[in-house]
Amino acid sequence: QKEVEQNSGPLSVPEGAIASLNCTYSDRGSQSFFWYRQYSGKSPELIMFIYSNGDKEDGRFTAQLNKASQYVSLLIRDSQPSDSATYLCAVKGGSGNTGKLIFGQGTTLQVKP
Amino acid sequence: NAGVTQTPKFRILKIGQSMTLQCTQDMNHNYMYWYRQDPGMGLKLIYYSVGAGITDKGEVPNGYNVSRSTTEDFPLRLELAAPSQTSVYFCASTERGSIYEQYFGPGTRLTVT
Repeated sequence: QKEVEQNSGPLSVPEGAIASLNCTYSDRGSQSFFWYRQYSGKSPELIMFIYSNGDKEDGRFTAQLNKASQYVSLLIRDSQPSDSATYLCAVKGGSGNTGKLIFGQGTTLQVKP
Repeated sequence: NAGVTQTPKFRILKIGQSMTLQCTQDMNHNYMYWYRQDPGMGLKLIYYSVGAGITDKGEVPNGYNVSRSTTEDFPLRLELAAPSQTSVYFCASTERGSIYEQYFGPGTRLTVT
């Protein structure tokens, strides 16, 4: 079992729809969870982080965390063509204090006009 | 602030050659990381450092070396380049005691032929 798993997609949604991106992780002691957006040929850019169970909203983005189910998701409301990118889920493990993150392979999102 | 900078942006190496990828950050972050990203894949940790003079191996360290003589700089050395090292290399940094969100440089695209 991979430590951080994402469906590679592509996930295709029409403009204006809600895009739902999912991520599961294996380490029950994981503390912090991050969503990065990566445009083709560019570096990852942090868009959200969450560390408490529940929802965290930032503009059109909502991160959801369920530690019991070891599940974190990202919702993008009113999706725009500019949201088309690969979304990387990253998890900070529970052991050690090195700041190391484990990344999933990413989900490619396509928003069609 | 320039954030995290990397040089060069692109490089083509012949098999057996060596090179150093440069990474500098101006945010006074203690923690720095080197990742590689193969096409369609997530990020794999090569080496990391929690401070000047302290480095440790990540998930895929073979064929690479690092040093950390200052807080700002974290160069990655490739010795005896092999085609399997063709990849995009990202450097990242974060602050000790933070939520450990990592900030990435623009990347170096390396081809070994």
